Amino acid sequence: AQSVAQPEDQVNVAEGNPLTVKCTYSVSGNPYLFWYVQYPNRGLQFLLKYITGDNLVKGSYGFEAEFNKSQTSFHLKKPSALVSDSALYFCAVRDGGSSNTGKLIFGQGTTLQVKP
Amino acid sequence: KAGVTQTPRYLIKTRGQQVTLSCSPISGHRSVSWYQQTPGQGLQFLFEYFSETQRNKGNFPGRFSGRQFSNSRSEMNVSTLELGDSALYLCASSSHGTPETQYFGPGTRLLVL
Repeated sequence: AQSVAQPEDQVNVAEGNPLTVKCTYSVSGNPYLFWYVQYPNRGLQFLLKYITGDNLVKGSYGFEAEFNKSQTSFHLKKPSALVSDSALYFCAVRDGGSSNTGKLIFGQGTTLQVKP
Repeated sequence: KAGVTQTPRYLIKTRGQQVTLSCSPISGHRSVSWYQQTPGQGLQFLFEYFSETQRNKGNFPGRFSGRQFSNSRSEMNVSTLELGDSALYLCASSSHGTPETQYFGPGTRLLVL
């Protein structure tokens, strides 16, 4: 069965410091991996995705993510955090072996707090 | 392009009632998916529609149903509402669903009293 784990409920980081939000996944086929961000009382905003190719994926607002097949991980990173990055972050996976569906499986979410 | 729109944004119902939520996808998108978000269960997949056909369904009771129209707009219906149905219902659209990015609307917040 497909699954996504975000091991940290909350990540705290000082403004200007690098941040990492962790995600590990389990799928039967090749994974399609996504990161979304949710601000209070809003829907999910797409940040980036990995389908195939380079293991380092660059996305919106200076975020990037590193795909590691051997560790089945897809950690979200940013070199220098901003207070405005404070939000709820979701990792999601779609099983590439299930070609006829767009269904996403989401992790439980990680709250990122960036302090001035 | 306009984003995904959902109506209404907020809704209050009582137990036993039914509710219909609406979603208009991004222009040109033919796939619409629905998700339920609650503090306890997180984000859970409800169903997916593509070209008016349900392509996939999550593990929800039959009280939850949906449909898609020829213009790709979608509705979901929940009958015989229960307190546990209180949630944020999110709609997402993509151009053809595999493995295109899904773009989410702002959601409809349903409160069941």
